Amino acid sequence: SQQGEEDPQALSIQEGENATMNCSYKTSINNLQWYRQNSGRGLVHLILIRSNEREKHSGRLRVTLDTSKKSSSLLITASRAADTASYFCATDARGGGNKLTFGTGTQLKVEL
Amino acid sequence: EPEVTQTPSHQVTQMGQEVILRCVPISNHLYFYWYRQILGQKVEFLVSFYNNEISEKSEIFDDQFSVERPDGSNFTLKIRSTKLEDSAMYFCASRPGITYNEQFFGPGTRLTVL
Repeated sequence: SQQGEEDPQALSIQEGENATMNCSYKTSINNLQWYRQNSGRGLVHLILIRSNEREKHSGRLRVTLDTSKKSSSLLITASRAADTASYFCATDARGGGNKLTFGTGTQLKVEL
Repeated sequence: EPEVTQTPSHQVTQMGQEVILRCVPISNHLYFYWYRQILGQKVEFLVSFYNNEISEKSEIFDDQFSVERPDGSNFTLKIRSTKLEDSAMYFCASRPGITYNEQFFGPGTRLTVL
């Protein structure tokens, strides 16, 4: 598999429910970043977690990182219709010059 | 809140024509990037730029591509002779400095090559 694979590819939930998205990667990293992209629009930075961190919170977002499994998860609690978007993880690989390698993304749909 | 801006939002061009995509990174940021996203595909790294020179470039970034920071604010991507396969969304990103690794992206320029 390629660096940065998210699953599920698509997720549909009801407003108020929690949404969990997972990301797997292959190389050693400096950090991992999560982004949101609304249809055809720009990438909005959500959160960065460093390789020596295991969990990070920002508002309704919670990110975990397991470097032994080379995986990360993004949890959005109490989802809203406005959270409908694609979510991408991006890894900053060790020795990679700080360029980001993006995953395939999870399309989240939050229904009223 | 400061943000990365890009112009134009949409560019349509004929195959073989030159295009220049423009970006204004966040003020005081030191590292600049271009990425692209072909419709339905992953976001791909093109090039990084620091201290007025290219730090790294991908295989995609061939001789048809060039970047420039002509003044203290603009950061441009030039494609000399566009191909159909250059059609994509092009994103500019900037990063503050060594101890801050978050990359902030602009809204993108959708390039359509006919």
